[in-house]
Amino acid sequence: DGGITQSPKYLFRKEGQNVTLSCEQNLNHDAMYWYRQDPGQGLRLIYYSQIVNDFQKGDIAEGYSVSREKKESFPLTVTSAQKNPTAFYLCASSIPLAGGEQFFGPGTRLTVL
Amino acid sequence: KQEVTQIPAALSVPEGENLVLNCSFTDSAIYNLQWFRQDPGKGLTSLLLIQSSQREQTSGRLNASLDKSSGRSTLYIAASQPGDSATYLCAVRGSGGGADGLTFGKGTHLIIQP
Repeated sequence: DGGITQSPKYLFRKEGQNVTLSCEQNLNHDAMYWYRQDPGQGLRLIYYSQIVNDFQKGDIAEGYSVSREKKESFPLTVTSAQKNPTAFYLCASSIPLAGGEQFFGPGTRLTVL
Repeated sequence: KQEVTQIPAALSVPEGENLVLNCSFTDSAIYNLQWFRQDPGKGLTSLLLIQSSQREQTSGRLNASLDKSSGRSTLYIAASQPGDSATYLCAVRGSGGGADGLTFGKGTHLIIQP
């Protein structure tokens, strides 16, 4: 089955620790995205990548880092510099054309203890 | 900066009713608009994608319209069922430069009463 997988489903982190969220897709999409969702708010874009070895900051990139070494994978690292990291994180992918439909993974819920 | 607003924030209706969810956006320079469904604690499921050159899209009991010039879209759900209960999100993809990705509304939380 084609789709997007995110792991783990739940993640707990102590303050001051970095943590990496995994996102893998087998849809053969060039573009991948990371969003953050907080209660009562819309999803907000963290980072996106249109092609391997290239990525761009979104609206709320501070305290996060990404890499795009393979087409299928777009891991997100939440660093200790992120002041309020507790949230639901969603990964998405699409074909890079302007009309491309975005498809989402099941999400990772990160809680900072 | 693009802003997306969804009205109402919450809606509760009896099963079988037809209903309309509203979405408005401030910048009409968009490539497309997507409607999503989100169940509690889950990811987003894409329902309908409307390109900027299109006026509407239909899938089963769902119909979405787009009026780009006025910055509005509606999602029409016919003959609602309890299984339609979820949060519905509207998102636009801008064409005016800046970061790629979607700009989302806060969603409409829909409850269909059996």
